[in-house]
Parts: sequence; C-alpha cells; structure tokens
Amino acid sequence: AQSVTQLDSQVPVFEEAPVELRCNYSSSVSVYLFWYVQYPNQGLQLLLKYLSGSTLVKGINGFEAEFNKSQTSFHLRKPSVHISDTAEYFCAVTRDSNYQLIWGAGTKLIIKP
Amino acid sequence: DTEVTQTPKHLVMGMTNKKSLKCEQHMGHRAMYWYKQKAKKPPELMFVYSYEKLSINESVPSRFSPECPNSSLLNLHLHALQPEDSALYLCASSQDLAGGLGTQYFGPGTRLTVL
Repeated sequence: AQSVTQLDSQVPVFEEAPVELRCNYSSSVSVYLFWYVQYPNQGLQLLLKYLSGSTLVKGINGFEAEFNKSQTSFHLRKPSVHISDTAEYFCAVTRDSNYQLIWGAGTKLIIKP
Repeated sequence: DTEVTQTPKHLVMGMTNKKSLKCEQHMGHRAMYWYKQKAKKPPELMFVYSYEKLSINESVPSRFSPECPNSSLLNLHLHALQPEDSALYLCASSQDLAGGLGTQYFGPGTRLTVL
C-alpha cells in the first residue's frame, strides 16, 4: 500500500531564511506528486505538482520541489520565506490509474519575525 | 481559472436539522469530490462523482447524502448529524478521475458546527 511521510510536524524558520519541507513516499509504481497549502481557516490550494518530465517543478509563491525517484522524495523548498507563508503544507501522492490522493500528515510552517 | 466555490462559509446546526452544502465549478471538470477535514489532519475522502454519477462512497454514514444535479454543481445534504460530524467540509474537482487529468482543485470549504 502507498504511504506518504512528512517527517516534520512543525518547521519554525526566521523570515527571509530558506526552508525545506520534507516529503517521502512509498510506492513501487509510477506516481503523481502534489503539494497543497492550507492557510489558517481556508481551503486547500495547489502549490505545485509533478506528473512527468523535468524533476524540478516550480509552483506558485516562489516555491519549488524536486522529484527524486531513487530516494522516493518530493521535498518542497523556498529560498526566502515571508510571514505570509505561515500555513499548513500537505504532500500527496496518487497513482496513474487511481483517483485517490494519499496524504501526508502535514507540516506546519511557522515564520518567526 | 481554477476556482471552486462553496456555500455557506459557516454553518451551525442542531442534531435534528436538515441542511445542505453547495459546491460549484465552471472549469468543465467532470469529476467532483467531497472531503471531511478535522483540525490539524489531512482531508478524508467521502464521495466521488464522475460524469454526474456517484463513483465512490467511502463508507460514509447515511446521514450524509450527496447529489450532483449537473456537471457544475455538487450538493451535500445533511440530516440528523452528530456533534462529532463538526469539521471543515471541502469540495474539489478535477478534469477527469485519474492520471494526469486527476489533479484536484479545492474550494474554500464550509466550516460546520453541530450542536
């Protein structure tokens, strides 16, 4: 069965510092990978996705992620965070033939002024 | 445009009430989803509609009743809910069910409180 692991439940980081949110998945077949962001008291917004092609994916709000098949990882990065990036970030995976998103537990990004 | 709208934004209801949640998308997507999200947890899938037909019911209690009147609209009818049903209810849509067309776009959610 597939699973998604977000190793860090919370990541505190100073404003304007770089950040990496980690996501690892387990699957023996091809997968599609997603990062969603949820701002306080809001719905989920798609940050970026990997379907195929270049392993470095750029998303909205200056975020990017790199698909690493050998390490089964899809870590999210931003070179310089802003206070407005305070949110919960969810990594999710689905298989080519399957509708169902398998979710990580989420990582809360806390920006320190 | 990747907008999914949901109404109402907040809903408070008693255990004997009947209410409905509404979701709308105008992206021409043919798959629509209902999720339930408890605080600090990822969303849990409840129902999936594909081409206006119910495809998946993830063993949801019958007090939740989905309806898809047309390709743009999805409703969730609520009746005799329990306090533990209080949660954020999220609607999502995708071009199709699976593969690269299965990228799901979410609405802002309805915050439901059952008294």
